[in-house]
Amino acid sequence: AQTVTQSQPEMSVQEAETVTLSCTYDTSESDYYLFWYKQPPSRQMILVIRQEAYKQQNATENRFSVNFQKAAKSFSLKISDSQLGDAAMYFCAFLIIQGAQKLVFGQGTRLTINP
Amino acid sequence: DVKVTQSSRYLVKRTGEKVFLECVQDMDHENMFWYRQDPGLGLRLIYFSYDVKMKEKGDIPEGYSVSREKKERFSLILESASTNQTSMYLCASQWTALNTEAFFGQGTRLTVV
Repeated sequence: AQTVTQSQPEMSVQEAETVTLSCTYDTSESDYYLFWYKQPPSRQMILVIRQEAYKQQNATENRFSVNFQKAAKSFSLKISDSQLGDAAMYFCAFLIIQGAQKLVFGQGTRLTINP
Repeated sequence: DVKVTQSSRYLVKRTGEKVFLECVQDMDHENMFWYRQDPGLGLRLIYFSYDVKMKEKGDIPEGYSVSREKKERFSLILESASTNQTSMYLCASQWTALNTEAFFGQGTRLTVV
């Protein structure tokens, strides 16, 4: 079975500083996609960043970047210059692409931004 | 804009009732998913569907069933609601193009009393 593990239930960071959220996954597949989603208090899930497993280059989206280590099955999210609006639950997700596509999420990390 | 609409934001039902949670998307997505979200457990996949009338069990299908008679609508059914099914339920849809994001509804907070 494919699983996604986020070992940090909660994280906090000072405004304008950098924080890294960790994610590991377990799969025997070689082709898959990885995502980070954000869920603010409004409950609306928003895509933050995505990574194709076949690409060695780490994805970046403005202040958000990932460190993708395929051999270690690790997919961490780095948020630079943290802003108050970054406060949310962050979920790591894994898309299985063999057969029916199955989207599996981790337990989530609650990020607090301290002013 | 893609819109995924869940029929209710809050719902209170009694133990033993049959409960229907409806999800409708307006972008002709092939894939649709139902999750429940519980503190400390994240989003757990209940069922998913990749086409009309096609369904697959997720990781926690027990006590639930689904229906997808039309492409835009994916229903989650609690055959006989129990208190341990009190949770937040999230619906999502996605194109089968592999790098596309999933779009989520606003969630339904279900309380079973």
